[in-house]
Amino acid sequence: RKEVEQDPGPFNVPEGATVAFNCTYSNSASQSFFWYRQDCRKEPKLLMSVYSSGNEDGRFTAQLNRASQYISLLIRDSKLSDSATYLCVSSTSGTYKYIFGTGTRLKVLA
Amino acid sequence: GAVVSQHPSRVICKSGTSVKIECRSLDFQATTMFWYRQFPKQSLMLMATSNEGSKATYEQGVEKDKFLINHASLTLSTLTVTSAHPEDSSFYICSARTGSQPQHFGDGTRLSIL
Repeated sequence: RKEVEQDPGPFNVPEGATVAFNCTYSNSASQSFFWYRQDCRKEPKLLMSVYSSGNEDGRFTAQLNRASQYISLLIRDSKLSDSATYLCVSSTSGTYKYIFGTGTRLKVLA
Repeated sequence: GAVVSQHPSRVICKSGTSVKIECRSLDFQATTMFWYRQFPKQSLMLMATSNEGSKATYEQGVEKDKFLINHASLTLSTLTVTSAHPEDSSFYICSARTGSQPQHFGDGTRLSIL
């Protein structure tokens, strides 16, 4: 079983739709979580950190459920420019090493 | 925001060549730098963790004599793929971090070995 698991998709949604991705992690010692966005053949770019209380940044909302060991990302009012692969990342305190999920591919259609 | 520069962005070379990739943190001193590899349609896989002035820590299955890492300063780490073969063709990405901040990634090096 992979340490961080994501549905690879693709999720094909129309512009303006709301879409949600989930990610599960198996290491209960994981302390920090992030969502990164990766465009085709490019490097990952930090989208947002994920906090225990949940956090929002514009159209993006991240949630963390430690009891069930999953993280979610909600994108409201999808734009064409949101089309990318969204990477879920966990990190264990002290090592700062990242464990990446395989990513969820999103296509926003006109 | 934090900027990490990686060079070169693209390398095409013959089998048996050694290739050096540089990773620089441009506007901060990186406590730690990381090297990843990503094959098509797969996730990033951590190869090694690099701290300035000390030996790199390699992940299981990564050959340290094949992938030489030098971390000469708080702003520069290099990865040398020695005697590269076609199976080493991949997208190599570095990242850098400091304090409790998230990792910031370089723009990657696409390596193709013929």
